[in-house]
Amino acid sequence: DTAVSQTPKYLVTQMGNDKSIKCEQNLGHDTMYWYKQDSKKFLKIMFSYNNKELIINETVPNRFSPKSPDKAHLNLHINSLELGDSAVYFCASSQGAGEWTEAFFGQGTRLTVV
Amino acid sequence: DAKTTQPPSMDCAEGRAANLPCNHSTISGNEYVYWYRQIHSQGPQYIIHGLKNNETNEMASLIITEDRKSSTLILPHATLRDTAVYYCIVSRKAAGNKLTFGGGTRVLVKP
Repeated sequence: DTAVSQTPKYLVTQMGNDKSIKCEQNLGHDTMYWYKQDSKKFLKIMFSYNNKELIINETVPNRFSPKSPDKAHLNLHINSLELGDSAVYFCASSQGAGEWTEAFFGQGTRLTVV
Repeated sequence: DAKTTQPPSMDCAEGRAANLPCNHSTISGNEYVYWYRQIHSQGPQYIIHGLKNNETNEMASLIITEDRKSSTLILPHATLRDTAVYYCIVSRKAAGNKLTFGGGTRVLVKP
């Protein structure tokens, strides 16, 4: 049983398209995140949701819109994809926004924009 | 959050202890030291964290200097599966769980 699962694992699409990446966690956590790992392998946080409410938004272009239908899901929708959006996107979850616990990461979604 | 400095890479012999250093000279009193690792093509994996006391779990030990300006992650008996990028992160505990990853140390365990 995968704790944090993302779909799809690979996504190749053309510039200008709109795409979504889905994330689900079965750990009962109340906080979920999206991270982006660029070609230089730097991991940066994009968003964080706690109990379906946005708590971190790290100056991400508004073409990126996270959606949390419930505590177990945090999807990432990207409009008008650009070449620079090519990266690996990781979803993560943890328990509690105020009291830190370890974050569990998914396997990543490799997005390639051509 | 305080910045960290780690060597970009290091090699380690299989079966030997791997000692991974991290400098965090600007750490403040309420910031913790966390270690994660990322094995190739996988998501980051939590290893250990600490405030000022040394910590040990089934994966590793964390030694934090008395002034808290540096720390060392110790993998007691490195295996080939420990080959990964290791990230030292300093962050407040109640910071929305925001983890700021630096460049990390690429550890290669050799047979």
